[in-house]
Amino acid sequence: EAGVTQSPTHLIKTRGQQATLRCSPISGHTSVYWYQQALGLGLQFLLWYDEGEERNRGNFPPRFSGRQFPNYSSELNVNALELEDSALYLCASSFGTGGNQPQHFGDGTRLSIL
Amino acid sequence: AQKVTQAQTEISVVEKEDVTLDCVYETRDTTYYLFWYKQPPSGELVFLIRRNSFDEQNEISGRYSWNFQKSTSSFNFTITASQVVDSAVYFCALSWDFGDDKVIFGPGTSLSVIP
Repeated sequence: EAGVTQSPTHLIKTRGQQATLRCSPISGHTSVYWYQQALGLGLQFLLWYDEGEERNRGNFPPRFSGRQFPNYSSELNVNALELEDSALYLCASSFGTGGNQPQHFGDGTRLSIL
Repeated sequence: AQKVTQAQTEISVVEKEDVTLDCVYETRDTTYYLFWYKQPPSGELVFLIRRNSFDEQNEISGRYSWNFQKSTSSFNFTITASQVVDSAVYFCALSWDFGDDKVIFGPGTSLSVIP
C-alpha cells in the first residue's frame, strides 16, 4: 500500500511569489490535513479537508488556502510568500473523520523563501 | 480546554539507557484518543501507537512501552535499552470524535541517543 506522497520535495521561492504544494493520501483515506513545521518548532495545524470540504483551518492568514479534489488528493497554496513561510509542510491523511483514526504523514515539502 | 503538554523539550541519553518521555493531557471529553508519533531526522512522522480513553491497559512492543493513567491524565512512553536509531522528535497527540477541531499535538520531545 502506497503511503502519503507529497510533491515537490523541495521548493525554493522568493518573497511575493506563490507556491503550490501537492499531496496524495493513502488509498481509501478521505481526510487530508496540512501542517506547518518551522525549523525547531512543533506542528502548527493549517487545514483539514474531508470529502472535498474544508472542515477546519488553523490560525493562519487567508493567503494560505487549499482544496481537495474528487480523488481526495489535495493542494496547499500560499500566496504572497514571506520569509517566515520557510518551513517543512507536512500532509497527513486518515480513514474517515473519527477521532480514533491515526494520521499517516508524508515526507513533507521543504519550502524555502529567499 | 483541550491541551497536550510535553514538558521535556530535549533529552540526551547514552545508548542502552532507558528513557521515559512524558505526556500530560487535558480534555473535557469522556471519550478521547491518545497517540504517539516519531519524527526521525528525515522528517516524516511515523505513527507508533493509539490508546482509547476507556482502555487503560499498558502496552509493550519490543523495546517500547506505554503507560496510560487516567488518574493523572498521563500517557508516558518508555524506551528500554535505547539505540542510536531512536534519536528523533517524539510527539504526543490527543484526539476526539466530534467537532471540527479534532486533534492537537504536543510540542514534541527531542531525544538524542549518544553512542
